[in-house]
Amino acid sequence: DQQVKQNSPSLSVQEGRISILNCDYTNSMFDYFLWYKKYPAEGPTFLISISSIKDKNEDGRFTVLNKSAKHLSLHIVPSQPGDSAVYFCAPAGGYGNKLVFGAGTILRVKS
Amino acid sequence: NAGVTQTPKFQVLKTGQSMTLQCAQDMNHNSMYWYRQDPGMGLRLIYYSASEGTTDKGEVPNGYNVSRLNKREFSLRLESAAPSQTSVYFCASSESSGGPTDTQYFGPGTRLTVL
Repeated sequence: DQQVKQNSPSLSVQEGRISILNCDYTNSMFDYFLWYKKYPAEGPTFLISISSIKDKNEDGRFTVLNKSAKHLSLHIVPSQPGDSAVYFCAPAGGYGNKLVFGAGTILRVKS
Repeated sequence: NAGVTQTPKFQVLKTGQSMTLQCAQDMNHNSMYWYRQDPGMGLRLIYYSASEGTTDKGEVPNGYNVSRLNKREFSLRLESAAPSQTSVYFCASSESSGGPTDTQYFGPGTRLTVL
């Protein structure tokens, strides 16, 4: 039973446009949501996070929105070729308070 | 500052062989973790260590053992490798208790194939 679903395995976006990556979750105990970015042959790196009590968190070109029930999204504006990577949604909360990773979305930004 | 380092980068084993994956961090972090990543799946927690001298099971601990050798090092051992353990293994560390606001820093991974 997947607690975290990133339903788009891949996404292709033109440079300069907006990238929207979605994340759905089923566990109501999750109260903190992190996004990690991963380049090939490297480990994931932390990108941005949001707590369940907030609707929005911005960091430069990256914004995470938490406005719908058990759904959040990561927006990248404007998208750049260097943003091409795998993006993991990783909620935390509940038992052990450990991160639970989604399967990831491969983002390709075309120049 | 090397961050989190893992050895080896690649390994091929035969079924039944044993091996130890090594992980070290130079950030003076208290918590360390081992994850595996399989195609079409996110990272899954195998074991973690909240502090030197303690270890706890994660989501998928079967077939693995760990040792927190000291504050810097956290090793993962496969006693009798199975093809189902073919995966990419990531080690991570974080400063304190491992709560959601405690950023985890990952190593580059070890790609393991079990034939």
